[in-house]
Amino acid sequence: EADIYQTPRYLVIGTGKKITLECSQTMGHDKMYWYQQDPGMELHLIHYSYGVNSTEKGDLSSESTVSRIRTEHFPLTLESARPSHTSQYLCASTGLPNEKLFFGSGTQLSVL
Amino acid sequence: GDSVTQMEGPVTLSEEAFLTINCTYTATGYPSLFWYVQYPGEGLQLLLKATKADDKGSNKGFEATYRKETTSFHLEKGSVQVSDSAVYFCALSGRSGNTPLVFGKGTRLSVIA
Repeated sequence: EADIYQTPRYLVIGTGKKITLECSQTMGHDKMYWYQQDPGMELHLIHYSYGVNSTEKGDLSSESTVSRIRTEHFPLTLESARPSHTSQYLCASTGLPNEKLFFGSGTQLSVL
Repeated sequence: GDSVTQMEGPVTLSEEAFLTINCTYTATGYPSLFWYVQYPGEGLQLLLKATKADDKGSNKGFEATYRKETTSFHLEKGSVQVSDSAVYFCALSGRSGNTPLVFGKGTRLSVIA
């Protein structure tokens, strides 16, 4: 059912590298979100956007950036990867207030 | 600010056992309440929701009732199956819908045959 896609599915990278995690949705949703999920499963909001050229920081945003140049695309960039960034990253979108979030399958990032 | 507290896991049950996962919330006004489920290796998906007091959400044999007087939205299922093994998240959305969902920390359920 979900038309929200994340790439890559898995990524192993060395410390200090710059990486971009991709997220795209084909549902025309205005609201998009990035979450980091720790091994204990808790979700932490990193960034969100309510439309083109609109981005907001979440609770865990200090080491990453996002852009929203097109409605369907919401990439997340880590300028300098560190082992502490090793985690699962989930992208989500929704179209209307109080309506359900659609989640991508996630990117599992390992930083060595 | 708004917050959600759900029971810590992991929860391990035998097949056909009764399941309850407790969820309580703190919010201003009248939020919408949700349960999301995450199966192994997947993203989250909506399980059920309720948008006003006394509403009951239901799906796949799971139920939860929006209790304003106890600020609770407990998840229940009468007879769990091995395929229900997953992580369950309680969440709320402020009435305006203009702030991100607030999630609980998740409860891992394992059902054994």
